Amino acid sequence: DIQLTQSPSSLSASVGDRVTITCRASQSISRYVNWYQQKPGKAPKFLIYATSDLQSGVPSRFSGSGSEAHFTLTINSLQPEDFATYYCQQTYRTPFTFGGGTRVDLK
Amino acid sequence: EVQVVESGGGLVQTGGSLRLSCAASGLPYTSYWMHWVRQAPEKGLEWISRINNDGSSAAYADSVQGRFTISRDKARNTVYLEMNSLRAEDTAVYYCAFGTGGMDFWGQGTMVPVSS
Repeated sequence: DIQLTQSPSSLSASVGDRVTITCRASQSISRYVNWYQQKPGKAPKFLIYATSDLQSGVPSRFSGSGSEAHFTLTINSLQPEDFATYYCQQTYRTPFTFGGGTRVDLK
Repeated sequence: EVQVVESGGGLVQTGGSLRLSCAASGLPYTSYWMHWVRQAPEKGLEWISRINNDGSSAAYADSVQGRFTISRDKARNTVYLEMNSLRAEDTAVYYCAFGTGGMDFWGQGTMVPVSS
């Protein structure tokens, strides 16, 4: 199975900060990485498809990049509603594993 | 408006069985995959299964392979998860999700506590 390692596992940031989350795969997965946001008690929300394609309605302060086995999610100018846990997921090969998550909380 | 509604969760004893259902309406496409994802208390997301558009292909996580079965009723836009030989470690909120590449639309989740 393909393993995804997210870092950091948690971070504290302030409104307006730029935040970068890394997702590393145990093997090359081309650009088959998606990103999700989850708030406590809620279902995840689909943010980014295939490394960098923003889903409809997702603010442009979110962006994704990377290839092969190294991917990043960047949030420019963090907003209050962005405090949440973020997960990467690979859809290169089943099982479609998730990373362990990165919790973003208020500094 | 897209609606995704799961049902069938509830307390079950170790070794028991349960069938989850998930119905979608208002989807903006006619061809899509259906997935089940679970989240144990205070833990991360775990993808457990998916089925393709016509139900001809399914895949499972190692943790549920041989115990869980996914199926779908395309006419009813409904996906099912038959769970057998349940273990304490299967305790989780179970989400279904629909999508064409990623998981665009999610249900609210249904809790499955497995107790000895």
